[in-house]
This record gives sequence, structure tokens and C-alpha cells, in this order.
Amino acid sequence: AQTVTQSQPEMSVQEAETVTLSCTYDTSESNYYLFWYKQPPSRQMILVIRQEAYKQQNATENRFSVNFQKAAKSFSLKISDSQLGDTAMYFCAFMRSWQDKLTFGKGTLLTVNP
Amino acid sequence: DVKVTQSSRYLVKRTGEKVFLECVQDMDHENMFWYRQDPGLGLRLIYFSYDVKMKEKGDIPEGYSVSREKKERFSLILESASTNQTSMYLCASSFFGGRTDTQYFGPGTRLTVL
Repeated sequence: AQTVTQSQPEMSVQEAETVTLSCTYDTSESNYYLFWYKQPPSRQMILVIRQEAYKQQNATENRFSVNFQKAAKSFSLKISDSQLGDTAMYFCAFMRSWQDKLTFGKGTLLTVNP
Repeated sequence: DVKVTQSSRYLVKRTGEKVFLECVQDMDHENMFWYRQDPGLGLRLIYFSYDVKMKEKGDIPEGYSVSREKKERFSLILESASTNQTSMYLCASSFFGGRTDTQYFGPGTRLTVL
């Protein structure tokens, strides 16, 4: 079974600074998908960024980027120029194939301070 | 925009009651999912469905059942609610393969069982 580990239950960062959230996973599959989802306080969960394991290039979406280390089974999220609206619970998730279920980590609560 | 709606944001029920949680999506998605979210445990998959009248058990199906009579609607049923089912319940949907694997989430239903 796949497992996803987020070792940082809570983190905080000052506005405009950069923060990195950690995620490791365990799988014997060679191809799979990785995701970061964001859940703002009392709001819906939304997708932040996704990465296909067969792609060597790290995914980027505006201020959000990932550092995907396939051999180390590591998938960290970097948020640059942090904004107050980035305050949220962030979940790392793994999907074995496009028709499989998502396996989530336990989440990291990120607080951006003014 | 994809829209996933859930019938209630907050629900209070008594032990032993039969509880229905409804989820509707408007994007003709084949896949639909029910998760429960608990602090420190992340999201755990209860049931999912790849097609009408289809259902598959997730990681924690005990005490729950589901119904999918129409493509756009996926219901979670607690046959006899218990206090340990007090939780946040999230519904999600996605396309079946090929086009995208991103799951879109509803706003959640916070269920309290007294």
C-alpha cells in the first residue's frame, strides 16, 4: 500500500518570504502522480500543483513550485513571496494511476504572518 | 468552473439515526469519492464510484454505505450513526482517465453525532 508522510504538522512564515513544505511517499510503482492540495480555513480544497512521475522537470504554477526527487521519493512544495491568502492546510497526495484513488498525507498547517 | 455541492454544511444527528449526505457535481464526471477528514489524520477514503450503480470500498468503509443512481449524484449513508462518526465529510469528483486526474472537492459537511 502507498503511504504519504508530511513530517511538519505546522509551519509559519512571514509575508513575502519563501517556505518549503516537505512530503515523502512510499511506493513500488514506477509511474504515478503527485499532488499538492490547499484547504483554506472554512473553504473548499483546491489543487495547487501536480507532477507526473515520468516527467523529470519540476512542475511550477506561478509562486508555487515543487522539488521532485524520484529516487528519494520526495515531493516538496516551495511557496515564494508568501501572501496572507496562502494561510491554509496543505495536503500532499499520491495517485498510482489515472484511475486509482488518492492517498493523502496528514497535512501541514501553514500560517503566513503579516 | 467545476462545481461540486454538498447538501448541508453543518448537520447534527443523534446516535442511531440514519443519515444521508448528498453530493452533486455538474461537470459530467465519471468518478466520485467520499472522504472523511479528522485532525491529525488527514483525509481518508470511505467509498468511491467509477460509474452509475458502481461502488468500491475505500480505506475505511465500515459503518457506511453509498448509492449512485445517477451520474451526477453520489450519496453517503450512515445506517446507524455513532459518535465516532462525528467528522468533516468531503465529496470529490473527477473525469475517468485520459483528460485529467484532478479531483474537485465540495465544501464539506461537518457532521456531529450526539
